[in-house]
Amino acid sequence: QVQFVQSGAEVKKPGASVKVSCKASGYTFTNYAIHWVRQAPGQGLEWMGWINAANGNTKYSQRFQDRVTITRDTSASTAYMELSSLTSEDTAVYYCGRAAYIDVWGKGATVTVSS
Amino acid sequence: DIVMTQSPDSLAVSLGERATINCKSSQSILYSSNNKNYLAWYQQKPGQPPRLLIYWASTRESGVPDRFNGSGSGTDFTLTISSLQAEDVAVYYCQQYYNSPQVFGPGTKVDIK
Repeated sequence: QVQFVQSGAEVKKPGASVKVSCKASGYTFTNYAIHWVRQAPGQGLEWMGWINAANGNTKYSQRFQDRVTITRDTSASTAYMELSSLTSEDTAVYYCGRAAYIDVWGKGATVTVSS
Repeated sequence: DIVMTQSPDSLAVSLGERATINCKSSQSILYSSNNKNYLAWYQQKPGQPPRLLIYWASTRESGVPDRFNGSGSGTDFTLTISSLQAEDVAVYYCQQYYNSPQVFGPGTKVDIK
């Protein structure tokens, strides 16, 4: 079945960077875009950006434009989201998902930013 | 950027009764060339990722019970749960995927009365 396996929980210091991975299986990786969405504790869903898995083109939310980089490794069917210059406000669960209306979601990766 | 709003923020409905959630976009998300509304609905239960319920504003995702119905066009959309079940307690989000950023609404919490 189609699924995403995301990397594990991370604890980072303010100012550091984090890189979250999202390994896809059960479908042809390059046929669908991968989107990244985050959710701070007790808050709603926030769209961060997406990558065209076929050609690597990306689009980011202006809110994260200077700090986020989404990449993919087609040989590993894996997408990555790297967020830099972390602050406590980046403490959240980070989800990857497939396609524009996200029909398959990863279970999420918890990132905690704390000094 | 398109802004998505939802109403109400929360609602409590008796088991078996109808629940109605509204979603409004700040501009039309109807693409005229294919006559499709780029609007999705998701359900999220505590500790779980969201689950896709509806896409193209009214197309039910495979496996979603038929008590969930989406309607609307242009800027105004509705998710209706025709007969609320205990397992429907969750937060519901709409999302536009007409353009980037693909903004979500703030969510509507549904509880049992």
